[in-house]
Amino acid sequence: EAGVAQSPRYKIIEKRQSVAFWCNPISGHATLYWYQQILGQGPKLLIQFQNNGVVDDSQLPKDRFSAERLKGVDSTLKIQPAKLEDSAVYLCASSLVANTEAFFGQGTRLTVV
Amino acid sequence: AQSVTQLGSHVSVSEGALVLLRCNYSSSVPPYLFWYVQYPNQGLQLLLKYTSAATLVKGINGFEAEFKKSETSFHLTKPSAHMSDAAEYFCAVSEDLSGNTPLVFGKGTRLSVIA
Repeated sequence: EAGVAQSPRYKIIEKRQSVAFWCNPISGHATLYWYQQILGQGPKLLIQFQNNGVVDDSQLPKDRFSAERLKGVDSTLKIQPAKLEDSAVYLCASSLVANTEAFFGQGTRLTVV
Repeated sequence: AQSVTQLGSHVSVSEGALVLLRCNYSSSVPPYLFWYVQYPNQGLQLLLKYTSAATLVKGINGFEAEFKKSETSFHLTKPSAHMSDAAEYFCAVSEDLSGNTPLVFGKGTRLSVIA
């Protein structure tokens, strides 16, 4: 069974630039999550999708972050414009049933300089 | 609101020694609890989960955890540490499995294993 795929693995951008991350969840998983993991901290949920609908985006900084999950499969997370404090690993995860067992991708490490 | 506290950001043990990683939770309802492991430059992998069945939960790689409601704890243990156990460990809590409340993670504990 293929795991959660994320790309790119690493990205370095200057502040005020834009960046997008892509996630392909495990086939058949209806729930998809984006987490932000700042160095030295645990993952923090940014947004949770159930199929192509948003379940929870209460911690997503909506002035600069956006995410979509068209057709209920792949998802894209965008930051525009990026700030220095956005430097983190962005993890995508999916689960068959919400909050039972989430499978994580390897993450995208973003460095904003 | 639910929360997780992991005591000790860094734990160091000798190879073959007992591993004990502490996790205390706060939840207004009976919680669902999880332990995840993260190896360097990798995503998180589920070690074990408690979903209101047996209070002693066995996971992968010889790890287990015991849910103690009276102590609001879900500590992770392994009788004998291996070098390959060196990683970051995260405890997480959820208040339901319906998807209406997200997983909340602790800050993590880095486990070092000394030869």
